[in-house]
Formats: sequence, C-alpha cells, structure tokens
Amino acid sequence: GESVGLHLPTLSVQEGDNSIINCAYSNSASDYFIWYKQESGKGPQFIIDIRSNMDKRQGQRVTVLLNKTVKHLSLQIAATQPGDSAVYFCAEKSGNTPLVFGKGTRLSVIA
Amino acid sequence: NAGVTQTPKFQVLKTGQSMTLQCAQDMNHEYMSWYRQDPGMGLRLIHYSVGAGITDQGEVPNGYNVSRSTTEDFPLRLLSAAPSQTSVYFCASSYQPSSGGAETQYFGPGTRLLVL
Repeated sequence: GESVGLHLPTLSVQEGDNSIINCAYSNSASDYFIWYKQESGKGPQFIIDIRSNMDKRQGQRVTVLLNKTVKHLSLQIAATQPGDSAVYFCAEKSGNTPLVFGKGTRLSVIA
Repeated sequence: NAGVTQTPKFQVLKTGQSMTLQCAQDMNHEYMSWYRQDPGMGLRLIHYSVGAGITDQGEVPNGYNVSRSTTEDFPLRLLSAAPSQTSVYFCASSYQPSSGGAETQYFGPGTRLLVL
C-alpha cells in the first residue's frame, strides 16, 4: 500500500542552526504534501504545504523542497529557535482520499 | 471562532465500558476526521466524514462508531472499551477550497483516554 515515512525519528540541533527534516513517500499520484508541527500536549498545527507540481515553497523561516524523482520531501527551518522544538509530521493528499500521515520526527533544540 | 473543540480532555474507563468522545467545529467545514495517536505510531485515521449524513472507515475503525447528523458535530463512540484503545484521540476538520488549493486540517486539542 501507499505510505508516508520519515528517515529520522529524532533530530537535535543547536539554537540558531538550520534544521532539515526529511520525509519519503511512495504515492506518485499525491496531489500535495503538508507539514504539521505538534507541540507537547497539543494537536498538530499546519505549517506549510506544497503542490505536487512545485519543487519548492517558502514560508516564514521555513522552506519545503519536493523531489519527485526520488519521492522525497524535506522541511528546512532557518535559525532554529527553542520554540521550534516539537514533533513534525509530513502528510500527503491524493484526490478525495483522506490525508496520510508519517510517523513524525522529534526536533529538539539545544540552547 | 473556537475552532475545533473536544471533550473531555481526559478520561479513564474500565474494560467493557462505553463512552462518547465529543467533537465540534464552528468553521462550517465539510470534512471531519478522528485520529488516534500512539507513541511511535503517528496519527492513524479511525473514521472520517465528508459531510453531514456521510461517514466512512479509516485505517483503524474496529471498536469505534461515528455519526454525522450535523455539520458541526462528529462524536466518536467506543462501544466496549479495551486496553488497546488507550491512546490520545484527535478530531480534525477541513474544507476543500473551491480554488483547488490545498485542504488544510485543523486539529482539536485531543482527548487522552486510559482504559484499565
């Protein structure tokens, strides 16, 4: 079946450094991909999305890159701050089917 | 707008008990979903609804029932609670923009359920 997965379950970065969180997907028919951030004790929050016909999309301090050739998605966070510490999920959407979430990567920011 | 609200925040049940987890949204979203989140498992879809009167099964529907009598409410019923249903439950709502943009899900704060 189709699946969305993550390369690394945990990631530790120094405050001020850039963070890169990776995600692999297998559904080549996905329409778009979404990144969510989940802080401890809270529900996931939308960060940024990217349509499948795009390679890159930038937001405030975040950039998502999509490589359809190798079915890889990444979330880059610039100048990582303590408030960025959370679990990050990628998700993919195809047609009218429900979102499929990956297992998540925990980002820990070291002050 | 309150967004997506869930009650209760915490619940302890004994095996075999039944209960209903409440979810409501005030954004007039068409789509609503229930997920469970277990350590290391990410979010797994239990049931979802694309509109009032319409529900469908997700990845892990067994042991749960849903109904969608109104656009606003999407309760999740545990028929006979089992320890395997100990989890954190998230309700979400979303809409599909007519412009064809990405569907964005809004999550509630979650209900933490412990089944003894």
